[in-house]
Parts: sequence; structure tokens; C-alpha cells
Amino acid sequence: ETGVTQSPTHLIKTRGQQVTLRCSSQSGHNTVSWYQQALGQGPQFIFQYYREEENGRGNFPPRFSGLQFPNYSSELNVNALELDDSALYLCASSTDPRNTIYFGEGSWLTVV
Amino acid sequence: GIQVEQSPPDLILQEGANSTLRCNFSDSVNNLQWFHQNPWGQLINLFYIPSGTKQNGRLSATTVATERYSLLYISSSQTTDSGVYFCAVKETSGSRLTFGEGTQLTVNP
Repeated sequence: ETGVTQSPTHLIKTRGQQVTLRCSSQSGHNTVSWYQQALGQGPQFIFQYYREEENGRGNFPPRFSGLQFPNYSSELNVNALELDDSALYLCASSTDPRNTIYFGEGSWLTVV
Repeated sequence: GIQVEQSPPDLILQEGANSTLRCNFSDSVNNLQWFHQNPWGQLINLFYIPSGTKQNGRLSATTVATERYSLLYISSSQTTDSGVYFCAVKETSGSRLTFGEGTQLTVNP
């Protein structure tokens, strides 16, 4: 039990659509990150939020965007979905970027 | 950016055997974690170990930060240990965890 919950667990979208994935972290976890994991690969960093401000971004286009809310929840939004966006999306949180990072169970996204 | 290499990429064991997984990284880090990913995708945190040695039951890990490597030891392996093991590091100046490609472990009964 990591205290990080994600929804939905599975979803199917059509190319060109938009999707919102949600994450709820433990109280006090001021840092939240999102990762994309394609089949057979390690997770790739999308971006990180610390106290509701983005403070790091990986090599992902602007159509990947996020929000962090004061209640320790966050969202990942992806616009104009492409087939290559099909992946497992993982949310991770911690009390501080230097501390242990805990992952949720992930959201499996399939784009058809 | 920092490079993370894990070895071996695949490992097949008989139940009861011991194994050592290795993680090499190319720069100084202030966070190193080992994860086990189960078949449903959940990344389970095994160790937070930027330096030193830790043990948890049949698992132990050692990180030698000055030589930029970490080892994960699994003793008396069980079929439930099967899955992918990831090493992930965070550079001293960065905000992201960088993952290795993982070690796929299969433990046969």
C-alpha cells in the first residue's frame, strides 16, 4: 500500500481525442511526478510538480500537461492522442523530491 | 543526462536459488531506489538506498556511491519474486527519476 491511487485503471481512446488521468497522493506529499511506460521499457519522466508549480519536465510535447491541487491530487492531460501514446501512465509522490518516491498502480491507456 | 545500466537483462532461476542484480549509473545521485514491478504494472518500492547497505527479509541492497553502482541481492528465491526489477536514480541537481531498462526475473518451481 503506497497511498497513491490512480484512476481510471484502464481506458481506450480514439486517436485525436483528449484524456485526463487522475492521481491522489497521501497527505503531506508535496511532490508529484508522472511517468509514461511503454511495453518492455522502463518508465520515462513526463513532468514533476512541487507545491502546485511545475519544476521539471521530460522530453514530452506540450500536448502533455498537468495540474497539482492543494488537496494532494493531480491530473495528467493529453491532447490530440496518438497511437504511440498507448502506454502505462504512472503517478508518483513524495514528501520532498529527495525522499523516497512512491508509485500508484498506474493507468493503462490504449489509443486506437 | 544520467545513464543507468542494469544487468543482466534476463535471469531465470530455480526456486531456492540466490541472485545478484546490478545497477551502474554515470553521475552523482542523491536518490537511488530499487523497484519490483508486478505483472499488473504496480511498481513496488523495495529500497531507498542512495548509499550504504540495507536488508529486508530475503532481500538486501548495497550502493557504493563513489563507484557509481548498486547491487540487489535476492536469497532463497520464490516464484512470487518473478517480475521486472528496476533501478532508478535521481541526479543531485535534477528532479526526475531515471530508470534503467530493468532485469526480467523468472523463478521456476
